[in-house]
Amino acid sequence: SQQGEEDPQALSIQEGENATMNCSYKTSINNLQWYRQNSGRGLVHLILIRSNEREKHSGRLRVTLDTSKKSSSLLITASRAADTASYFCATPWAGQGGKLIFGQGTELSVKP
Amino acid sequence: GAGVSQSPSNKVTEKGKDVELRCDPISGHTALYWYRQSLGQGLEFLIYFQGNSAPDKSGLPSDRFSAERTGGSVSTLTIQRTQQEDSAVYLCASSLVSRGLNTGELFFGEGSRLTVL
Repeated sequence: SQQGEEDPQALSIQEGENATMNCSYKTSINNLQWYRQNSGRGLVHLILIRSNEREKHSGRLRVTLDTSKKSSSLLITASRAADTASYFCATPWAGQGGKLIFGQGTELSVKP
Repeated sequence: GAGVSQSPSNKVTEKGKDVELRCDPISGHTALYWYRQSLGQGLEFLIYFQGNSAPDKSGLPSDRFSAERTGGSVSTLTIQRTQQEDSAVYLCASSLVSRGLNTGELFFGEGSRLTVL
């Protein structure tokens, strides 16, 4: 299976703290994406990092990619209660076609 | 519309009945995907359309599941003779795909929550 794994499965922090989520994958990729899902809603794209990039920033988000270790991390700085959601990493399917393979997700709870 | 639209948002049905779930992708998006998400789980890929054809239907769990797409736009996912294990949220997404390679993001709808009693 190409499906990656995310770590931790659940994370609970206080507002203002940083949250770090990790993702590991199994095959060579040309990009890795992170998505967010609020409870009962669809997924929203957060950031895409290409295989030739090592780090990327978007607002309070910082994503790193280590292709040698087949791993990525998502850091949310100065977290807010509104960041409470599930976060998923996704990689393009190694075969033909355009589907993404999603990890199991990290459920983040930010307490006010 | 501006985003991916799915209907119904909620569907409760009795075991053995057929259900149809509809997805209206973002205009101009050639690729359309169906995923299934069980409670507290990640996303399970079901089927992928490029235009009206489905080059990858490897995720459909059984022959009770089928999907079609017409006019390169709206897609319908049909589940026949529903079972309790079919209860899940069915998510549709669309994207721009060039030459079969997805190098960009997927845009998701809000999902259709199916409950089979």
